[in-house]
Amino acid sequence: GENVEQHPSTLSVQEGDSAVIKCTYSDSASNYFPWYKQELGKRPQLIIDIRSNVGEKKDQRIAVTLNKTAKHFSLHITETQPEDSAVYFCAASYPGNQFYFGTGTSLTVIP
Amino acid sequence: GAGVSQSPSNKVTEKGKDVELRCDPISGHTALYWYRQSLGQGLEFLIYFQGNSAPDKSGLPSDRFSAERTGGSVSTLTIQRTQQEDSAVYLCASPRLGQATSGANVLTFGAGSRLTVL
Repeated sequence: GENVEQHPSTLSVQEGDSAVIKCTYSDSASNYFPWYKQELGKRPQLIIDIRSNVGEKKDQRIAVTLNKTAKHFSLHITETQPEDSAVYFCAASYPGNQFYFGTGTSLTVIP
Repeated sequence: GAGVSQSPSNKVTEKGKDVELRCDPISGHTALYWYRQSLGQGLEFLIYFQGNSAPDKSGLPSDRFSAERTGGSVSTLTIQRTQQEDSAVYLCASPRLGQATSGANVLTFGAGSRLTVL
């Protein structure tokens, strides 16, 4: 089955700096890679996703990159703000299969 | 409905009692997932339904845990003889078709059921 690893487990950055979270996956059949943000006491919410036929996708201050050959994908947050503080989860999936989640990264943006 | 509904939102029970947690997924979608999240931890996969069958229930922690789904809609997660280590938030998720520009099904979570076993 699929195995998703996520690093780092915790990350602190100064407001305005960039944050990068990295995930690797093991199953080459996985073709869909979403990222979820979970604020304290709330449910995980999708913030951005990418399919395997695309190498990079950007939405304002967040971007995701995918390297299919190396089986890794990353979340990039630029110009971080205090409201970006949350736990971020990556996941990998392919049609008809379950979603495999990473262990999460707790991001703290220091004002 | 338009979203994933879970009940109860909070449940406090005594050790040894049975509990049932309910999930009403996005209308019309056949897949449904249960995850468990202990305090400060990640998303632990429990079971996955496709229609009324469960192709993958490898994540159920013990035989005290069971889940069923009837009519391809509502699912119930049952925990028998609850233990303190069962205390967690139980999240249900359902794919919402076409919400991602990628064309993939987007997994949407319910608000969760917080279980506390005293």
